[in-house]
Amino acid sequence: KQEVTQIPAALSVPEGENLVLNCSFTDSAIYNLQWFRQDPGKGLTSLLLIQSSQREQTSGRLNASLDKSSGRSTLYIAASQPGDSATYLCAVRPGGSEKLVFGKGTKLTVNP
Amino acid sequence: NAGVTQTPKFQVLKTGQSMTLQCAQDMNHEYMSWYRQDPGMGLRLIHYSVGAGITDQGEVPNGYNVSRSTTEDFPLRLLSAAPSQTSVYFCASSPEYQETQYFGPGTRLLVL
Repeated sequence: KQEVTQIPAALSVPEGENLVLNCSFTDSAIYNLQWFRQDPGKGLTSLLLIQSSQREQTSGRLNASLDKSSGRSTLYIAASQPGDSATYLCAVRPGGSEKLVFGKGTKLTVNP
Repeated sequence: NAGVTQTPKFQVLKTGQSMTLQCAQDMNHEYMSWYRQDPGMGLRLIHYSVGAGITDQGEVPNGYNVSRSTTEDFPLRLLSAAPSQTSVYFCASSPEYQETQYFGPGTRLLVL
């Protein structure tokens, strides 16, 4: 059974810092991996989707990498801002499955 | 486009009552799904559909029914509400199951 782990559960950084959020998964046979952002009391917003054949994806200040063989993905946020404060969730789609498996998220606080 | 819409935003039920959570999307997406989000448990898949007339069970389907008579709508029915079903429910859609997921704003359900 695929399991997704995100460590740490919470992270607090000063504004302007570059940071890395981690995601690990137990079964490397995945189709793709997605990173989401969730603001308090809101739904999830997709940030980046990485196909299993890709090593990384970039969108603005965000860069997500994927190392399928080691079961790891990272989300790099450059020059963090208070508006980046949110919970970040990682989800994998196992190969051949129509279901997403989510991690429990990392709550990020960027202090002004 | 309105994207994915969910109604109601908040609902209080008594144990044993039934209700339907509504989900609609105007993006002509084939894949739709329902999740529940609980503290410490993350997002868990309840039911999903890969197209009109086709539904399947996710990780936690007990106590819930779904149907998909149109591409646009994917209602979730609670047959006999229990306090354990107190949660935040999210509906999501995507063009196909393996593509980026778009989430609705959620429905907060409290069962007394």
